[in-house]
Amino acid sequence: KAGVTQTPRYLIKTRGQQVTLSCSPISGHRSVSWYQQTPGQGLQFLFEYFSETQRNKGNFPGRFSGRQFSNSRSEMNVSTLELGDSALYLCASSDRQGSAGYTFGSGTRLTVV
Amino acid sequence: AQSVTQLGSHVSVSEGALVLLRCNYSSSVPPYLFWYVQYPNQGLQLLLKYTTGATLVKGINGFEAEFKKSETSFHLTKPSAHMSDAAEYFCAVSGSSNYKLTFGKGTLLTVNP
Repeated sequence: KAGVTQTPRYLIKTRGQQVTLSCSPISGHRSVSWYQQTPGQGLQFLFEYFSETQRNKGNFPGRFSGRQFSNSRSEMNVSTLELGDSALYLCASSDRQGSAGYTFGSGTRLTVV
Repeated sequence: AQSVTQLGSHVSVSEGALVLLRCNYSSSVPPYLFWYVQYPNQGLQLLLKYTTGATLVKGINGFEAEFKKSETSFHLTKPSAHMSDAAEYFCAVSGSSNYKLTFGKGTLLTVNP
C-alpha cells in the first residue's frame, strides 16, 4: 500500500510569491490534515479536510488556505510568502476520525528567501 | 483545549539502557494519545496509540506506553536502547471528535555506544 505522497520535497521561493503544495493520501483515506513544523514553534496544525470539507482550522492567517478534491488529494496554498513561512510542511491522512492515527508524508521543505 | 508537555527536550542514554520519555497531557475530553518518531529529513512515523481499552499499549520497535488517567501521563518506554532508536520523539493528543493532533515540543533521544 503506497504511503502519503507529498510533492515537491524541496522548494525555494522569494518573499511575496505564492506556493502550492500537494498531498496524495493513502488510498481509501478520506481525511487529510496539514501541519507546519519549525524549530521555534514545533508542530502546528493548519487545517483538516474530510470528503472535500474543511472540518477544522488552526490559528494561521488567511494567507494559508487549502482544499481537497473528490479523489481525496489535497493542496495547500500560501500567498504573499514571508520569511517566517520557511518550514517543513507535513501532510497526514487517516481512514477514521483520528482514532487510527494519522500517517504522515515525508513533507515539503519550503525555504523563503 | 488540549496541550502536551514533554519533559526534557534532550535525553541521552547508553546502548542497552532503559529509555524513558515523559509526556503529560491536558484535555477536557477523553483523549486519544499518540507517540510519533521522526528521523532526520523525514516525516513522522506512528509508534503507538491509545484510544480506548487496555491502558498499556505496545508499539513498534519494542516501545510501549502506559496511559495513566490519574496522572494525565503517557510516558514512552523501551527496555533496551538501540543505536537505531536515536531520533526525535513527539507525544500528541487529540479528542475523539476533534480531528487535529496537538503535539508536544519533542524529545531528542541520543543513544551512546
